[in-house]
Amino acid sequence: DVKVTQSSRYLVKRTGEKVFLECVQDMDHENMFWYRQDPGLGLRLIYFSYDVKMKEKGDIPEGYSVSREKKERFSLILESASTNQTSMYLCASSGGGGNQPQHFGDGTRLSIL
Amino acid sequence: KQEVTQIPAALSVPEGENLVLNCSFTDSAIYNLQWFRQDPGKGLTSLLLIQSSQREQTSGRLNASLDKSSGRSTLYIAASQPGDSATYLCAVLINDMRFGAGTRLTVKP
Repeated sequence: DVKVTQSSRYLVKRTGEKVFLECVQDMDHENMFWYRQDPGLGLRLIYFSYDVKMKEKGDIPEGYSVSREKKERFSLILESASTNQTSMYLCASSGGGGNQPQHFGDGTRLSIL
Repeated sequence: KQEVTQIPAALSVPEGENLVLNCSFTDSAIYNLQWFRQDPGKGLTSLLLIQSSQREQTSGRLNASLDKSSGRSTLYIAASQPGDSATYLCAVLINDMRFGAGTRLTVKP
């Protein structure tokens, strides 16, 4: 079974802090994704990556950056956290070929105070 | 821009009923469609993936169909159980994945 692990289930940070959310997958997947999920807005794509050191902007990249130094790890960085970034963050991965299912982690519920 | 709609937003049924969840999408040029289950406060669990060339997929009591030309998919759940209570999301893949808002299902004992 595919395992996507997000480092924290719950996280509380303060406005202006630099925040790191980590995601690791164990299936040698090429593709990795970061979403945020908000009531009434559904899942929105922040960034994705199709290969090591490669990144592409999703629908809402403002205020975020990502890092993929190793194939199995995809980090989401909030450069200067703001209260409107309080949300559920979900990481996903999928195999190459563009036609593989996405597998999700359990999510990180981030609160910015 | 691809829009994915799920109707109804919420559904409550008694245990044992067969039920259908609906998903529609505006752009039929999809690579695949995936159905997920999400329990409160948790991530998404993949249920079924239908490739664009397929018409349906089955897993246990679940059956998903795809009609690309009409932009519709259905998820059929047979003999529903209280443990099926969750939010069900569909998502379509074009250049990236687009998600519906989900149907919140409650199965009453």
